[in-house]
Amino acid sequence: AQSVTQPDIHITVSEGASLELRCNYSYGATPYLFWYVQSPGQGLQLLLKYFSGDTLVQGIKGFEAEFKRSQSSFNLRKPSVHWSDAAEYFCAVATVIKAAGNKLTFGGGTRVLVKP
Amino acid sequence: DAEITQSPRHKITETGRQVTLACHQTWNHNNMFWYRQDLGHGLRLIHYSYGVQDTNKGEVSDGYSVSRSNTEDLPLTLESAASSQTSVYFCASSPTPGTSTYNEQFFGPGTRLTVL
Repeated sequence: AQSVTQPDIHITVSEGASLELRCNYSYGATPYLFWYVQSPGQGLQLLLKYFSGDTLVQGIKGFEAEFKRSQSSFNLRKPSVHWSDAAEYFCAVATVIKAAGNKLTFGGGTRVLVKP
Repeated sequence: DAEITQSPRHKITETGRQVTLACHQTWNHNNMFWYRQDLGHGLRLIHYSYGVQDTNKGEVSDGYSVSRSNTEDLPLTLESAASSQTSVYFCASSPTPGTSTYNEQFFGPGTRLTVL
């Protein structure tokens, strides 16, 4: 069965510093991978996604992620963090159940705190 | 603009009562999903539907039911609410196969349910 692991429950980073969030997945076929962000009291917003092709994916809000098949990883990065990036981040893998649709399996999330 | 809405946004109920959470989307998506979010568990799939009259159990379906009578709505019912069902519930939808955003899910704002 597919699974997603986010090893870091909390990360604290200073404003202006770089950020990297780790994500490891387990899935037998070619994965469809996503990063979502959840601001306090809000729903989930898609940051970026990987389906195929270039392994470095650019997303919204200055985020990028790199797919590494050999390491079963899809880590999220941002070169310079802004206070508004304080949120919870979720990695997810999509699995096609049948021709009509798909399911997402989520990691446990990483909460990012930004220090002034 | 197309959107996905949930109601109520907050609900307090008592153990043993039946509760229904509403989810309505105007994306015209065939696929709809219900998740619960609990600390340390990320989002876990409760039920999902790939079209009208289609429903499927997710990984944490015990005590919950859904019905799909039209494309726009997927209400979630807690047959007899338990304290263990205190959680934040998210509804999501995704397009049908063949579209560029096939695997991407769009999330509602969530419903915070407290069972006393």
